[in-house]
Amino acid sequence: EDQVTQSPEALRLQEGESSSLNCSYTVSGLRGLFWYRQDPGKGPEFLFTLYSAGEEKEKERLKATLTKKESFLHITAPKPEDSATYLCAVQAVTGTASKLTFGTGTRLQVTL
Amino acid sequence: SQTIHQWPATLVQPVGSPLSLECTVEGTSNPNLYWYRQAAGRGLQLLFYSVGIGQISSEVPQNLSASRPQDRQFILSSKKLLLSDSGFYLCAWKYLMNTEAFFGQGTRLTVV
Repeated sequence: EDQVTQSPEALRLQEGESSSLNCSYTVSGLRGLFWYRQDPGKGPEFLFTLYSAGEEKEKERLKATLTKKESFLHITAPKPEDSATYLCAVQAVTGTASKLTFGTGTRLQVTL
Repeated sequence: SQTIHQWPATLVQPVGSPLSLECTVEGTSNPNLYWYRQAAGRGLQLLFYSVGIGQISSEVPQNLSASRPQDRQFILSSKKLLLSDSGFYLCAWKYLMNTEAFFGQGTRLTVV
């Protein structure tokens, strides 16, 4: 069974204090690892897709990396507007369908 | 560009009443469609997915059902709601197997 574990559950940073979120996974045949941002009461917003170990993607203050067992979301010099829950998901393909398995997320709070 | 619409945004229903949540996608054809439920402190749980009209796969035995009467329409239903059906319901679509999924804004269902 595919599993995704995210840590920490919650993280509080001061503005400008860089840090990393972790997503460790076990999946039979990884077909993609995805990062999403979710604001309270909203649907998840897509951030990145990573397909193979060693791959990196960047967007503004966020950088996602992937190894064979885990992914990191690095947040450089965060701002209060980066406060949200960050979700990680892995994809396995079964037959004609592909399904995402999500972690429980990391709640990030960035304060002034 | 593609957009996904999900409604209603919030819903309060009595125990034993029926349910119908609707999701439509614009700007694409033959998408893979998904229904997820998100409980507080837990990851997104896949409920149903569909790879085509009339093709529904269920992931978790439950009090809910899904239908896909048109290519870009996905409906989540229940004949009699239970208290345990309360949660945040999310519809999502993806175009190709190994690509990212895009989510609607969700429906907050409270069964009283």
